[in-house]
Amino acid sequence: EAGVVQSPRYKIIEKKQPVAFWCNPISGHNTLYWYLQNLGQGPELLIRYENEEAVDDSQLPKDRFSAERLKGVDSTLKIQPAELGDSAVYLCASSGGARETQYFGPGTRLLVL
Amino acid sequence: AQSVTQPDIHITVSEGASLELRCNYSYGATPYLFWYVQSPGQGLQLLLKYFSGDTLVQGIKGFEAEFKRSQSSFNLRKPSVHWSDAAEYFCAVGTSGTYKYIFGTGTRLKVLA
Repeated sequence: EAGVVQSPRYKIIEKKQPVAFWCNPISGHNTLYWYLQNLGQGPELLIRYENEEAVDDSQLPKDRFSAERLKGVDSTLKIQPAELGDSAVYLCASSGGARETQYFGPGTRLLVL
Repeated sequence: AQSVTQPDIHITVSEGASLELRCNYSYGATPYLFWYVQSPGQGLQLLLKYFSGDTLVQGIKGFEAEFKRSQSSFNLRKPSVHWSDAAEYFCAVGTSGTYKYIFGTGTRLKVLA
């Protein structure tokens, strides 16, 4: 069974540019999460989806970050415009439900210059 | 508020030696507890989890963890470390109300040949 797929794996952009990350969860997983992992830190939740509904986006900086999961499967996380402090790893995870174990993708490593 | 503390930022052990990684949590109710491992440039892989029942939990790769409610701890152990165990280890607590995972800051394990 395929795991959580993320792309790109690496991205380097200039500050003020937009960037987007894509995630394809494990088949059949209704719950999808986006996490931010700063260097030397544990992941921190940005947003959680139940199917296509964002049920917890309290930690998402909405002035520059946006996310969507239009058909309840794939998801895209966008930053516009990117700032130097956004350099981090963006992890996607999915689970069979909110109470179920989360499985993580390999992450997208973002470097903002 | 829920929190997870991993007191050891770095641990170095010799190959074949035993290992114990510490994790303490703060949560008012019975927590869901997890240990994940992250190799460089990779996502998080689930080692083991505790939801209820037997407080000694067996995981993959020969790891085990013990939930001690009185000490609010969920320490990870392995009797004999292999060089391939060198990675970063994250403890996480899952909250039953919001279904969030709160991660610790991680412990980086180095294994000496």
